Amino acid sequence: AQKITQTQPGMFVQEKEAVTLDCTYDTSDPSYGLFWYKQPSSGEMIFLIYQGSYDQQNATEGRYSLNFQKARKSANLVISASQLGDSAMYFCAMREGYNAGGTSYGKLTFGQGTILTVHP
Amino acid sequence: DAGITQSPRYKITETGRQVTLMCHQTWSHSYMFWYRQDLGHGLRLIYYSAAADITDKGEVPDGYVVSRSKTENFPLTLESATRSQTSVYFCASSGSGNSNQPQHFGDGTRLSIL
Repeated sequence: AQKITQTQPGMFVQEKEAVTLDCTYDTSDPSYGLFWYKQPSSGEMIFLIYQGSYDQQNATEGRYSLNFQKARKSANLVISASQLGDSAMYFCAMREGYNAGGTSYGKLTFGQGTILTVHP
Repeated sequence: DAGITQSPRYKITETGRQVTLMCHQTWSHSYMFWYRQDLGHGLRLIYYSAAADITDKGEVPDGYVVSRSKTENFPLTLESATRSQTSVYFCASSGSGNSNQPQHFGDGTRLSIL
């Protein structure tokens, strides 16, 4: 079963506007973390923002914020004031709590990614 | 500089050859991971290591071997390369296996098997 779903293969946004990238997840573990990574065309994976399952407030990091709706199991990334340098692939990922003797072993499970293109 | 480095960045080899991808981190992180990235599959875990001398299989381990004799190094070996192993390989590390710890990635190795 797909644990992380990103339904938008591609998104377009005008420079200086805000954009929301969707992510839904599935887990029965009460303790988990949600992460967003950026992969520019150069290929490296850049950690952007983290949201914990027990966090009461939405995470923010500069122009990035996470719209966390736990009951809906969604963790959408909001990028405000888009810049040309934001054009990249964006991955949502989940890390479930370490389960000794189980299978989670702290791995990240990734979605398929969303390609964001920022137009001038 | 502190961080996680992978080498080589690019590699071309032939089927049947053995090839080793290197990963080195300077944070003294306990956990290290190898992922492969393929179109249509996103990133998938190959192997992971919770500490020196402790390794275990991920989702797609067949055809790969790892070792971790030192905390800072986690090499990935393809014992007899196949075309299906053409991919981009990422090494990552984190301080623990807890769900609140991000994984930090190397720049990747682009491997082509002819």
